[in-house]
Amino acid sequence: KAGVTQTPRYLIKTRGQQVTLSCSPISGHRSVSWYQQTPGQGLQFLFEYFSETQRNKGNFPGRFSGRQFSNSRSEMNVSTLELGDSALYLCASTRSSGGYETQYFGPGTRLLVL
Amino acid sequence: DQQVKQNSPSLSVQEGRISILNCDYTNSMFDYFLWYKKYPAEGPTFLISISSIKDKNEDGRFTVFLNKSAKHLSLHIVPSQPGDSAVYFCAASIGGGSEKLVFGKGMKLTVNP
Repeated sequence: KAGVTQTPRYLIKTRGQQVTLSCSPISGHRSVSWYQQTPGQGLQFLFEYFSETQRNKGNFPGRFSGRQFSNSRSEMNVSTLELGDSALYLCASTRSSGGYETQYFGPGTRLLVL
Repeated sequence: DQQVKQNSPSLSVQEGRISILNCDYTNSMFDYFLWYKKYPAEGPTFLISISSIKDKNEDGRFTVFLNKSAKHLSLHIVPSQPGDSAVYFCAASIGGGSEKLVFGKGMKLTVNP
């Protein structure tokens, strides 16, 4: 099975711009989660989508948004970019087995805001 | 409030020896725990997990131990190999669900040849 794919892999933007990142989950996985990884904060949960609905949301400002399409592909959008948004953005799709869920991560999109 | 803590930022071991990575948690509601390995410029890779109904789970060279009373889990890698050099994250969830997955800040393991 193909793994989780994310595009683009690298992105450079300037303050005030907006950005859209894309994620395709593993085939058959219906849940997609997004995380932000920074050196000081580790992996921080942004939000999770299941069957096109946001199921859970982390503690991030409203500038961060996402959506999921009927084919389970997901996008996240960050508007009015700030320097502090520079980070690795990771997408994960979820496999359920025996009542437990395990997340499988994509390679990430590294965003640099200048 | 950091609910999952990896208090040691780094560990260095010799090839062939045992690596022990520790993780503590504060939320007694956590009942499913996972370890991930991450290489630079890649996403985390799932290694092994354990549910709270067990105290040990093995998968090849990797063993995870869970001590619920101490709210502590550890990952043992035996024998350690240079390719194990990476950042390791422990993560925890409530009810086995992924929507409440909480990660520690990671620990860098270096295995020296």
